[in-house]
Amino acid sequence: KAGVTQTPRYLIKTRGQQVTLSCSPISGHRSVSWYQQTPGQGLQFLFEYFSETQRNKGNFPGRFSGRQFSNSRSEMNVSTLELGDSALYLCASSLVPGGGSYEQYFGPGTRLTVT
Amino acid sequence: EDQVTQSPEALRLQEGESSSLNCSYTVSGLRGLFWYRQDPGKGPEFLFTLYSAGEEKEKERLKATLTKKESFLHITAPKPEDSATYLCAVQGGGSNYKLTFGKGTLLTVNP
Repeated sequence: KAGVTQTPRYLIKTRGQQVTLSCSPISGHRSVSWYQQTPGQGLQFLFEYFSETQRNKGNFPGRFSGRQFSNSRSEMNVSTLELGDSALYLCASSLVPGGGSYEQYFGPGTRLTVT
Repeated sequence: EDQVTQSPEALRLQEGESSSLNCSYTVSGLRGLFWYRQDPGKGPEFLFTLYSAGEEKEKERLKATLTKKESFLHITAPKPEDSATYLCAVQGGGSNYKLTFGKGTLLTVNP
């Protein structure tokens, strides 16, 4: 079974630009979560989508947004990029939770550098 | 708010020298505690889920244990290929399924 895929793997953007990252979950997984990883803050939760609806959101400004399509693929968008947005952006997919805990499986990430 | 603290931040071992990594947590209604391994430039790789105090899980040279306040990842007779950052995360109760991560422990195993 193929794992979580993310595109592009590397991206260099200039301050003020916007960027769109893509994530394809494991087949059959309907929940997609996004995380930002930086050396100083570690892994921080951005948001989670299930059935094309944002269910949960972390403490990030409105410049960070996302969406999910009917095939469970997800995109996240960052507008008006700042230098501090440079990070590894990770996507994780999981099965529909029927109650209790469920594991999240991560993709390889997109390395975003803002200059 | 859920919190996770991992110690030590970095650990250097000789091949075959067993040790443990610590993950202390505070969470409202623990749904699960997760251990991940992350290699440089890659996404975290799932290792274990622990659900309740007293639970233990093993995989090759790794064994994870859970109490009501902390989890340990025991590494027995490590090899150089076990070198990686080990991340601990908790998932609390309620309708938010987000994972709250610790900063990780960077493990280096020298041959």
